Amino acid sequence: NAGVTQTPKFQVLKTGQSMTLQCAQDMNHEYMSWYRQDPGMGLRLIHYSVGAGITDQGEVPNGYNVSRSTTEDFPLRLLSAAPSQTSVYFCASSSGTSGRGGQFFGPGTRLTVL
Amino acid sequence: RKEVEQDPGPFNVPEGATVAFNCTYSNSASQSFFWYRQDCRKEPKLLMSVYSSGNEDGRFTAQLNRASQYISLLIRDSKLSDSATYLCAVIKRGSARQLTFGSGTQLTVLP
Repeated sequence: NAGVTQTPKFQVLKTGQSMTLQCAQDMNHEYMSWYRQDPGMGLRLIHYSVGAGITDQGEVPNGYNVSRSTTEDFPLRLLSAAPSQTSVYFCASSSGTSGRGGQFFGPGTRLTVL
Repeated sequence: RKEVEQDPGPFNVPEGATVAFNCTYSNSASQSFFWYRQDCRKEPKLLMSVYSSGNEDGRFTAQLNRASQYISLLIRDSKLSDSATYLCAVIKRGSARQLTFGSGTQLTVLP
């Protein structure tokens, strides 16, 4: 099992550009989520999904969209990038039985918006 | 007040020392608790879940105090490889498994 994979590892965007961060898991986990991590702020939840076709907002959803058409994939779209979205983005997944809800994280995408 | 708070440290301890971290949470509806380890520029990795009765995994012991609303992590016989940032996380009842993280405690184990 590859676990949770994310692409790209690094990305530089200009203000106003859009892009999609990819996330995939091969563990058949129903729950997937996106976090951003900023210095001094910790990990903050952007969006999450409890299963294919079901998504919901987390703590900091503005400027981001998600969709979940399959169990495996959970892409995060930046609609119009802003410098405030410069961050490290982590995707995570879990099943109902994995560590009583503990989530497994992908390696992250480091995004810089100029 | 943040929902989950940790002392950011840094904690600098010699090899072989015992070190303990606390993490307080403000929402009494929190139902699941975890400790994660994060190495520099890497993803968080689940270290252990925290059970009501406390639990141990090798040199690591986790405790939950619901009355005072905190969880703790004890590391015995510290190794150089234990140097990392330790994040606590909680899930609130009815929150569809949304994790709320503390900002992390940095540990450096010195030779």
